[in-house]
Amino acid sequence: SQQGEEDPQALSIQEGENATMNCSYKTSINNLQWYRQNSGRGLVHLILIRSNEREKHSGRLRVTLDTSKKSSSLLITASRAADTASYFCATDAYDYKLSFGAGTTVTVRA
Amino acid sequence: DGGITQSPKYLFRKEGQNVTLSCEQNLNHDAMYWYRQDPGQGLRLIYYSQIVNDFQKGDIAEGYSVSREKKESFPLTVTSAQKNPTAFYLCASRGLSEKLFFGSGTQLSVL
Repeated sequence: SQQGEEDPQALSIQEGENATMNCSYKTSINNLQWYRQNSGRGLVHLILIRSNEREKHSGRLRVTLDTSKKSSSLLITASRAADTASYFCATDAYDYKLSFGAGTTVTVRA
Repeated sequence: DGGITQSPKYLFRKEGQNVTLSCEQNLNHDAMYWYRQDPGQGLRLIYYSQIVNDFQKGDIAEGYSVSREKKESFPLTVTSAQKNPTAFYLCASRGLSEKLFFGSGTQLSVL
Protein backbone atom coordinates (compact mmCIF):
# COMPACT_ATOMS: atom_id res chain seq x y z
CA SER A 1 0.00 0.00 0.00
CA GLN A 2 1.24 3.51 -0.74
CA GLN A 3 1.46 5.29 2.54
CA GLY A 4 3.11 8.52 1.48
CA GLU A 5 1.19 11.03 -0.59
CA GLU A 6 3.02 13.99 -2.11
CA ASP A 7 1.56 17.39 -2.80
CA PRO A 8 1.54 19.07 -5.27
CA GLN A 9 1.63 16.53 -8.10
CA ALA A 10 3.55 18.98 -10.27
CA LEU A 11 5.47 22.19 -9.70
CA SER A 12 6.99 24.64 -12.17
CA ILE A 13 9.38 27.31 -10.94
CA GLN A 14 11.93 29.78 -12.27
CA GLU A 15 15.61 29.09 -11.80
CA GLY A 16 16.76 30.58 -8.52
CA GLU A 17 13.39 30.23 -6.81
CA ASN A 18 12.67 27.83 -3.97
CA ALA A 19 10.59 24.68 -4.42
CA THR A 20 8.53 23.19 -1.61
CA MET A 21 6.73 19.88 -1.69
CA ASN A 22 4.85 18.03 1.02
CA CYS A 23 4.33 14.43 2.03
CA SER A 24 1.59 13.02 4.23
CA TYR A 25 1.48 9.51 5.63
CA LYS A 26 -0.88 7.37 7.67
CA THR A 27 0.88 5.21 10.24
CA SER A 28 3.72 5.55 12.74
CA ILE A 29 7.13 5.58 11.13
CA ASN A 30 10.71 4.80 12.03
CA ASN A 31 12.04 7.26 9.48
CA LEU A 32 11.03 9.13 6.33
CA GLN A 33 13.23 9.43 3.27
CA TRP A 34 13.23 11.60 0.16
CA TYR A 35 14.41 10.41 -3.24
CA ARG A 36 14.91 12.05 -6.64
CA GLN A 37 14.28 10.40 -10.00
CA ASN A 38 15.40 11.78 -13.32
CA SER A 39 13.30 10.68 -16.27
CA GLY A 40 13.74 7.00 -17.10
CA ARG A 41 16.35 6.43 -14.40
CA GLY A 42 16.57 4.84 -10.99
CA LEU A 43 15.92 6.75 -7.79
CA VAL A 44 18.67 8.49 -5.87
CA HIS A 45 18.53 8.93 -2.11
CA LEU A 46 18.53 12.56 -0.94
CA ILE A 47 17.95 12.66 2.79
CA LEU A 48 16.67 10.58 5.71
CA ILE A 49 14.94 12.03 8.76
CA ARG A 50 14.19 9.93 11.82
CA SER A 51 10.95 10.03 13.77
CA ASN A 52 12.64 11.82 16.69
CA GLU A 53 14.04 14.58 14.45
CA ARG A 54 12.16 17.71 13.38
CA GLU A 55 14.44 19.24 10.77
CA LYS A 56 17.42 18.22 8.70
CA HIS A 57 19.62 19.98 6.15
CA SER A 58 21.79 18.73 3.34
CA GLY A 59 23.28 21.33 1.04
CA ARG A 60 20.36 23.18 -0.60
CA LEU A 61 17.84 20.70 0.82
CA ARG A 62 15.83 21.21 3.99
CA VAL A 63 13.48 18.55 5.30
CA THR A 64 11.01 18.92 8.14
CA LEU A 65 9.00 16.25 9.90
CA ASP A 66 5.88 16.73 12.00
CA THR A 67 4.92 13.36 13.47
CA SER A 68 1.82 14.80 15.16
CA LYS A 69 0.46 15.78 11.74
CA LYS A 70 2.06 12.81 9.99
CA SER A 71 3.60 15.08 7.41
CA SER A 72 6.96 16.11 6.00
CA SER A 73 8.16 18.80 3.65
CA LEU A 74 11.12 19.07 1.31
CA LEU A 75 12.47 22.50 0.43
CA ILE A 76 14.95 22.99 -2.38
CA THR A 77 16.51 26.43 -2.21
CA ALA A 78 17.94 28.43 -5.13
CA SER A 79 16.77 25.90 -7.68
CA ARG A 80 18.79 25.02 -10.78
CA ALA A 81 17.86 23.43 -14.10
CA ALA A 82 19.53 20.23 -12.87
CA ASP A 83 16.92 20.00 -10.10
CA THR A 84 14.27 19.17 -12.72
CA ALA A 85 13.13 15.69 -11.67
CA SER A 86 10.46 13.79 -9.78
CA TYR A 87 10.72 13.73 -6.01
CA PHE A 88 9.35 10.94 -3.84
CA CYS A 89 8.91 10.50 -0.14
CA ALA A 90 9.21 7.02 1.32
CA THR A 91 8.17 5.90 4.78
CA ASP A 92 9.81 3.18 6.84
CA ALA A 93 7.14 1.85 9.20
CA TYR A 94 9.30 -0.57 11.21
CA ASP A 95 8.43 -3.41 8.82
CA TYR A 96 11.58 -3.48 6.68
CA LYS A 97 9.64 -2.12 3.71
CA LEU A 98 9.69 1.37 2.31
CA SER A 99 6.38 2.66 0.96
CA PHE A 100 6.55 5.34 -1.72
CA GLY A 101 4.12 8.05 -2.71
CA ALA A 102 3.20 9.04 -6.25
CA GLY A 103 5.77 11.82 -6.34
CA THR A 104 6.01 15.51 -7.21
CA THR A 105 7.31 16.44 -10.66
CA VAL A 106 9.43 19.58 -10.48
CA THR A 107 10.30 21.59 -13.58
CA VAL A 108 12.85 24.38 -13.23
CA ARG A 109 12.62 26.95 -16.04
CA ALA A 110 15.74 28.77 -17.16
CA ASP B 1 23.77 3.78 -9.78
CA GLY B 2 25.64 2.78 -6.65
CA GLY B 3 26.63 -0.84 -7.30
CA ILE B 4 23.26 -2.17 -8.44
CA THR B 5 23.14 -3.57 -11.95
CA GLN B 6 19.87 -4.32 -13.70
CA SER B 7 19.63 -6.01 -17.06
CA PRO B 8 18.40 -5.79 -19.65
CA LYS B 9 17.51 -2.12 -19.96
CA TYR B 10 14.62 -2.95 -22.31
CA LEU B 11 12.70 -6.21 -22.51
CA PHE B 12 9.81 -7.37 -24.65
CA ARG B 13 7.45 -10.13 -23.68
CA LYS B 14 5.22 -12.17 -25.93
CA GLU B 15 1.85 -13.33 -24.69
CA GLY B 16 2.11 -16.49 -22.60
CA GLN B 17 5.83 -16.06 -22.07
CA ASN B 18 7.73 -15.84 -18.80
CA VAL B 19 10.58 -13.35 -18.68
CA THR B 20 13.28 -12.84 -16.07
CA LEU B 21 14.78 -9.53 -15.02
CA SER B 22 18.25 -9.60 -13.55
CA CYS B 23 19.43 -7.66 -10.51
CA GLU B 24 22.97 -7.90 -9.10
CA GLN B 25 24.57 -5.87 -6.30
CA ASN B 26 28.13 -5.63 -5.06
CA LEU B 27 27.38 -3.55 -1.97
CA ASN B 28 27.26 -6.52 0.42
CA HIS B 29 23.70 -5.57 1.38
CA ASP B 30 21.46 -8.14 3.01
CA ALA B 31 18.12 -6.71 1.85
CA MET B 32 16.94 -6.44 -1.73
CA TYR B 33 13.69 -5.19 -3.24
CA TRP B 34 11.71 -5.18 -6.48
CA TYR B 35 9.38 -2.28 -7.27
CA ARG B 36 7.08 -1.65 -10.19
CA GLN B 37 6.50 1.88 -11.51
CA ASP B 38 3.69 2.78 -13.88
CA PRO B 39 3.70 6.09 -15.78
CA GLY B 40 3.04 9.06 -13.52
CA GLN B 41 2.77 6.86 -10.47
CA GLY B 42 4.86 5.98 -7.50
CA LEU B 43 6.64 2.74 -6.74
CA ARG B 44 4.75 -0.33 -5.70
CA LEU B 45 6.53 -3.16 -3.88
CA ILE B 46 6.45 -6.54 -5.59
CA TYR B 47 8.79 -8.70 -3.46
CA TYR B 48 11.53 -8.14 -0.94
CA SER B 49 14.22 -10.25 0.66
CA GLN B 50 15.89 -9.54 3.97
CA ILE B 51 18.39 -12.37 3.76
CA VAL B 52 19.60 -15.12 1.45
CA ASN B 53 17.10 -17.96 0.87
CA ASP B 54 14.23 -15.91 2.26
CA PHE B 55 11.79 -13.49 0.62
CA GLN B 56 8.36 -12.01 1.26
CA LYS B 57 5.51 -10.82 -0.92
CA GLY B 58 4.97 -7.12 -1.25
CA ASP B 59 1.76 -5.35 -2.18
CA ILE B 60 1.46 -6.61 -5.78
CA ALA B 61 3.16 -10.04 -5.87
CA GLU B 62 0.54 -11.83 -8.01
CA GLY B 63 1.97 -12.87 -11.38
CA TYR B 64 5.57 -12.50 -10.23
CA SER B 65 8.14 -14.82 -8.66
CA VAL B 66 11.63 -14.33 -7.21
CA SER B 67 14.56 -16.30 -5.84
CA ARG B 68 17.41 -15.35 -3.52
CA GLU B 69 20.01 -18.09 -3.77
CA LYS B 70 22.96 -15.69 -3.50
CA LYS B 71 23.40 -12.51 -1.51
CA GLU B 72 24.38 -10.61 -4.64
CA SER B 73 21.48 -11.65 -6.84
CA PHE B 74 17.69 -11.20 -6.72
CA PRO B 75 16.12 -12.05 -10.11
CA LEU B 76 12.47 -11.33 -10.82
CA THR B 77 10.37 -13.49 -13.13
CA VAL B 78 7.29 -11.96 -14.69
CA THR B 79 5.05 -14.90 -15.40
CA SER B 80 2.31 -15.30 -17.99
CA ALA B 81 -0.17 -14.92 -15.13
CA GLN B 82 0.71 -11.21 -14.94
CA LYS B 83 -1.80 -9.81 -17.41
CA ASN B 84 -0.59 -6.23 -17.40
CA PRO B 85 3.20 -6.45 -17.19
CA THR B 86 4.10 -3.28 -19.09
CA ALA B 87 5.92 -1.09 -16.58
CA PHE B 88 9.30 0.16 -15.40
CA TYR B 89 10.84 -2.28 -12.93
CA LEU B 90 13.30 -1.10 -10.31
CA CYS B 91 15.55 -3.20 -8.12
CA ALA B 92 17.08 -1.84 -4.93
CA SER B 93 19.24 -2.96 -2.05
CA ARG B 94 19.52 -1.74 1.50
CA GLY B 95 22.25 -1.95 4.06
CA LEU B 96 22.88 -0.65 7.54
CA SER B 97 22.44 2.96 6.45
CA GLU B 98 18.71 2.23 5.94
CA LYS B 99 18.62 4.01 2.60
CA LEU B 100 17.84 2.27 -0.67
CA PHE B 101 20.30 2.06 -3.53
CA PHE B 102 18.54 1.66 -6.87
CA GLY B 103 19.51 0.17 -10.19
CA SER B 104 18.83 2.00 -13.44
CA GLY B 105 15.67 0.01 -14.15
CA THR B 106 14.25 -2.31 -16.80
CA GLN B 107 11.43 -1.19 -19.10
CA LEU B 108 9.23 -4.18 -19.88
CA SER B 109 6.80 -4.01 -22.77
CA VAL B 110 4.37 -6.48 -24.29
CA LEU B 111 4.61 -7.36 -27.99
